[in-house]
Amino acid sequence: AQSVTQLDSQVPVFEEAPVELRCNYSSSVSVYLFWYVQYPNQGLQLLLKYLSGSTLVKGINGFEAEFNKSQTSFHLRKPSVHISDTAEYFCAVILSSGSARQLTFGSGTQLTVLP
Amino acid sequence: DVKVTQSSRYLVKRTGEKVFLECVQDMDHENMFWYRQDPGLGLRLIYFSYDVKMKEKGDIPEGYSVSREKKERFSLILESASTNQTSMYLCASSLSLLALEGLRGTQYFGPGTRLLVL
Repeated sequence: AQSVTQLDSQVPVFEEAPVELRCNYSSSVSVYLFWYVQYPNQGLQLLLKYLSGSTLVKGINGFEAEFNKSQTSFHLRKPSVHISDTAEYFCAVILSSGSARQLTFGSGTQLTVLP
Repeated sequence: DVKVTQSSRYLVKRTGEKVFLECVQDMDHENMFWYRQDPGLGLRLIYFSYDVKMKEKGDIPEGYSVSREKKERFSLILESASTNQTSMYLCASSLSLLALEGLRGTQYFGPGTRLLVL
């Protein structure tokens, strides 16, 4: 079975500071990895994903994430955050086998950017 | 452009009522999903469907049922609403994992329906 752990439920950070949102997963087989963002009162929007290839993935809004297979991690980073980045961020995994259909989500990290 | 729509943004129902939540996608996706989102618990999968008339239970199917009569529409049904079903409900759709690299696996979400059961 696969599971996803987001270690921090709340991350406050000052505007223009860097941020890292942590995500670890457990799976004995290959996975695809995703980060979604949910702005207040909206649905989830895909930030970035890792399917294969380069382990450093760039997404929208200046975010990037690095897949580390040995540490089973997929941490999300941004070098300088804006007030508008305040949102909840979800990490998710799906098995890469053709028969798998389910995304497993982490419990979410609330990023609050302070002026 | 990708689009998933949900019939209502906000809904207030009474305990015991039958509730229908509708979701429509216009991307010809095979897979559709219903989640509920609660503070501190993230998204939990209720049911999903990988084809018309096909459905599978997710992690928390109790108290819910689903219907998929057409490929573009996936309905979530609360047979007899209870207060512990007060939540945000999110619908999503995706292509098969056999789809082209770059497309596979990504789920596209609707805006959500916030349900309050009194």
